[in-house]
Amino acid sequence: NAGVTQTPKFQVLKTGQSMTLQCAQDMNHEYMSWYRQDPGMGLRLIHYSVGAGITDQGEVPNGYNVSRSTTEDFPLRLLSAAPSQTSVYFCASSPAQGSRDTEAFFGQGTRLTVV
Amino acid sequence: LAKTTQPISMDSYEGQEVNITCSHNNIATNDYITWYQQFPSQGPRFIIQGYKTKVTNEVASLFIPADRKSSTLSLPRVSLSDTAVYYCLVGGRNTGFQKLVFGTGTRLLVSP
Repeated sequence: NAGVTQTPKFQVLKTGQSMTLQCAQDMNHEYMSWYRQDPGMGLRLIHYSVGAGITDQGEVPNGYNVSRSTTEDFPLRLLSAAPSQTSVYFCASSPAQGSRDTEAFFGQGTRLTVV
Repeated sequence: LAKTTQPISMDSYEGQEVNITCSHNNIATNDYITWYQQFPSQGPRFIIQGYKTKVTNEVASLFIPADRKSSTLSLPRVSLSDTAVYYCLVGGRNTGFQKLVFGTGTRLLVSP
C-alpha cells in the first residue's frame, strides 16, 4: 500500500515554462488536495477535489490548474512558472465526510525551483 | 474555518513531557481538533484528533476543556526524534478534510 505518491521529487524550471506535478493515491479516497509550503511557513491550500470531475479553488489558486478525471489521480499544472512559485508542493488525500477514518494522508512533497 | 493560535517554538530535553497548547476561540459546534506532525522534507503526519475531554493513543494525548476554546497536545517522554513542527487544526468533519487550514505551527526542538 503506497499511500500518496508524488512525482517528481525535485524539479527546476525556467520562468515561463509549464509543467505538471503528479499525485496518485491508492486508498480510494474521495478527497484530494494540493498545498504549497514556503520556507518557515505553514501549508497553504491551492486547489482541492471532492471527487472525480469536481474541483474547487483554495486559498492561493492563481497560476495553477487542476483536474480530476479519476479517483486515484489529481495532477497540478503550472501554466507559466514564475519565481514566486518556488516552493514545496504537497498532495493530500482523505476519506469523505462521514467515514470512520478521520485523517488526511500526505505525500512526500515535490520541491520546485523556478529560476 | 476557525483560526488557531499556538506558540511559534518550544524547547525540551529528552525524557521530559511536552505540552503544546493551541487556542481556537471561534471553534464551531461541529468542528474537531486535529494535530499533525511534520519532519523536515516530509509531508505532515496525523497524530491525534478529538472533540472533547481527553483522547489518548500510542503517540500522544489530547486534552480539550469543556468550552473547547483551547486544546493541549501532550507528548510523554519526548526523544530526539520528536523534534518537528506540530500543527493544530480545527475543522475536518464539518468542513471537509479536503481543505484543512494550517497555521505556522509550533517548532519543537528536543535536546539531549
